[in-house]
Formats: sequence, structure tokens, C-alpha cells
Amino acid sequence: AQSVTQPDIHITVSEGASLELRCNYSYGATPYLFWYVQSPGQGLQLLLKYFSGDTLVQGIKGFEAEFKRSQSSFNLRKPSVHWSDAAEYFCAVGSGGGADGLTFGKGTHLIIQP
Amino acid sequence: SQTIHQWPATLVQPVGSPLSLECTVEGTSNPNLYWYRQAAGRGLQLLFYSVGIGQISSEVPQNLSASRPQDRQFILSSKKLLLSDSGFYLCAWSVGTGEKLFFGSGTQLSVL
Repeated sequence: AQSVTQPDIHITVSEGASLELRCNYSYGATPYLFWYVQSPGQGLQLLLKYFSGDTLVQGIKGFEAEFKRSQSSFNLRKPSVHWSDAAEYFCAVGSGGGADGLTFGKGTHLIIQP
Repeated sequence: SQTIHQWPATLVQPVGSPLSLECTVEGTSNPNLYWYRQAAGRGLQLLFYSVGIGQISSEVPQNLSASRPQDRQFILSSKKLLLSDSGFYLCAWSVGTGEKLFFGSGTQLSVL
């Protein structure tokens, strides 16, 4: 069965500093990988996704993520965070071959300090 | 363009009362539809998904049920709510192989 692990429940970063959110997955075949962001009181918004090809994917709001098969990881990065980036971030994995939805990690709560 | 509507945004219900959350999608045909729940301090859990009218698959045994009476309508229900049903419920849709999900704005359900 597929699974997603986000080892950091909370991360605090100073505004303007770089950010890396970790995500490890377990999946038997080539995974479809996603990062979503949930701002307070709102639904989920897709930041970026990886299906195939270039292992470094660019997303919205200046985020990027790198797929590393050897490490089963798909870490999310941003070179300089803004206060508006404070939110809950979810990594997800899917098979892409059916309609059985995605498996989500438990999320990482990002706190931005001035 | 496609949009997804989910309501209500917040709901407070007593234990033992019924529940009905509705989700509708516009601008697309034959979408795959999903209900997720996010309990406090936990990640997202897939509850139900549907590939077509009247076709519902359940991921976990629970006190809830889902129905799809129309192509773009997905309803989450319960006959008697439990305290453990409290959480943030998200409806989502996708097309085709389901790689990309589009989420509604969610319903915060508090069972007291």
C-alpha cells in the first residue's frame, strides 16, 4: 500500500529565509507526486506535481520540488519565504492510473516569524 | 472554467443528529468525485470516491455514507452523528486518470 511521510509536524522559518519541507513516500511503481497548500479556513490548492520527466518541478508562488527516486523523497523548497506562506502543506502520492484518489501525508505546519 | 461548490462552510450539530453535506461541480462532465476528511492534527483521509452516478467506493468503515444522484453532485451523509465525526471535510474532483485533484473550500463540522 502506498504511504506518505512528512516527518516535520511544525517548522518555523524567518521571513526571507529559505525553506525545505520534507516528504518521503512508499509506492511500488512510479509515483505521481503532489504538494498542496491549505491556508487557514480555505480548501487545498495545488502547488506543483510530478508525473515524469525532469525531476525538478516548478510550481506556483515560487515553490519547487525535487523527485529523488533513490531516496523516495519529494521535498518542497522555496529560496525566500514570505509571511503569506504561513499555512499547512501536504504532500500526496497517487497511482495516476485510476480514480482512487491520493494518499496524503499528515501535513507540515509552516510558521513564519518576522 | 470549472468550479466546485461545497456547503455549508461551517456546521455545528448535536450528537445523534443527521448530516448532509453537498458538493457540486460545474464546467465539466463525468468527473471523479471524492470526499476527504481532515481531523484535528491529522492529515487528509480519503472517505469515498465515485467514478459515476450511483457508483460509490468507500475507503474506510465508518458512520458516514455518500451518494451521487447526479453526474456533478456528491453528497456526504450520516443518519446519526458521532463526536468522532468532527473534522474538516473536503470535496474534490478530477477528470480522467485522476492525477490532479481540485478541492472545494471545505466544511468545518463540529459535533457537540
